Amino acid sequence: QLQLQESGPGLVKPSETLSLTCTVSGGSISNNNYYWGWIRQPPGKGLEWIGTIYYSGSTYYNPSLKSRVIISVDTSKNQFSLKLSSVTAADTAVYHCARRGLISAIWYPFDYWGQGTLVTVSS
Amino acid sequence: EIVLTQSPGTLSLSPGERATLSCRASQSLSSSYLAWYHQKPGQAPRLLIYGASSRATGIPDRFSGSGSGTDFTLTISRLEPEDFVVYYCQQYGTSPITFGQGTRLEIK
Repeated sequence: QLQLQESGPGLVKPSETLSLTCTVSGGSISNNNYYWGWIRQPPGKGLEWIGTIYYSGSTYYNPSLKSRVIISVDTSKNQFSLKLSSVTAADTAVYHCARRGLISAIWYPFDYWGQGTLVTVSS
Repeated sequence: EIVLTQSPGTLSLSPGERATLSCRASQSLSSSYLAWYHQKPGQAPRLLIYGASSRATGIPDRFSGSGSGTDFTLTISRLEPEDFVVYYCQQYGTSPITFGQGTRLEIK
């Protein structure tokens, strides 16, 4: 059974960089049918896609966050990571990692999700 | 960016009733790349429907999706107590991936 688990600091100071890691177990992050993404949800609000990465390192970002986001992958550790710079209180959210598929030229939505980790931006 | 508008914002029904949730896209979706999720409090979203009408693994057949182009519907034929949560639609064919603002299904 595939599992994803987010980890990282739960508190980040304004103007600093938020860093999270997603560890994938029960499957290989190098499987060429799948992409790996980050989605966030401010408390009591809706879902926002942050970006997605392929095991080769190809990345796709939400234009609204692109100038501040870096997503990277470490296939040797079966992990991928998120860095969000210059954070403000508006970046306070539960951050989820998730998997989506591209199989036989057909895209699939995020089907496996991590439980999410709350990151609060505050001094 | 494709904007998804869900209606209603809140739907009040009783267990056993039929629920119809709507998702309208600001432009036609390629290949019906429309998904539905539900989210229980404190949990990650769970995929219900993909490709507008295909049920995800393990999803009961009381959940069904329909629609194409810009108008999509999630129907829950007979509401169970565990169905009274928040539902989101998502388009995943055009970047950026976007979500609707959600419909809250509450017990009447």
